[in-house]
Amino acid sequence: AQSVTQLGSHVSVSEGALVLLRCNYSSSVPPYLFWYVQYPNQGLQLLLKYTTGATLVKGINGFEAEFKKSETSFHLTKPSAHMSDAAEYFCAVSDRETSGSRLTFGEGTQLTVNP
Amino acid sequence: DTAVSQTPKYLVTQMGNDKSIKCEQNLGHDTMYWYKQDSKKFLKIMFSYNNKELIINETVPNRFSPKSPDKAHLNLHINSLELGDSAVYFCASSQGPGQGNQPQHFGDGTRLSIL
Repeated sequence: AQSVTQLGSHVSVSEGALVLLRCNYSSSVPPYLFWYVQYPNQGLQLLLKYTTGATLVKGINGFEAEFKKSETSFHLTKPSAHMSDAAEYFCAVSDRETSGSRLTFGEGTQLTVNP
Repeated sequence: DTAVSQTPKYLVTQMGNDKSIKCEQNLGHDTMYWYKQDSKKFLKIMFSYNNKELIINETVPNRFSPKSPDKAHLNLHINSLELGDSAVYFCASSQGPGQGNQPQHFGDGTRLSIL
């Protein structure tokens, strides 16, 4: 069974500071990994994904994440936080079974950006 | 044009009632999903359909019955609503059932409140 752990349910940074949101996964097969962002009263929007190939993936809004197999991690970073980045962030893993592709989500990290 | 649309956005009803939530996607995807987000924002898959065929059915009370009249629509009917059903229900869609590397596109959610 797959699982995702997001370390830190709340992260607070100052505007312009580095954003680091941590995600560790557990999977018996090479995983597909995703980061989604949820703004208040909205659905989830894809930030970026890792499937195969380059382990450093770039996404929208200046975010990037690095897949580290040895550490079973997929941490999300952004060099300089903006007020508009305040939202809930979810890391997710997808299975490779042909019978269905379910996303298993972490518990989410609420990012607060202080002026 | 909204890619994945759900109606209604808000649903307030009494315990014991029956209600339905509708979902439509115009992305041409083959697979659709229902997820439940609880009050702690934890997301869990409930069902998945591929081209009108049920392919994922998690441990969900049989008061919940999904129906897919065609691959662009996936509805969720809930009988005998209980207080614990209060949550946000998200519809999502993606390409193909076995292509777990494809991102899922989410609707804005239906906020269900049971009085």
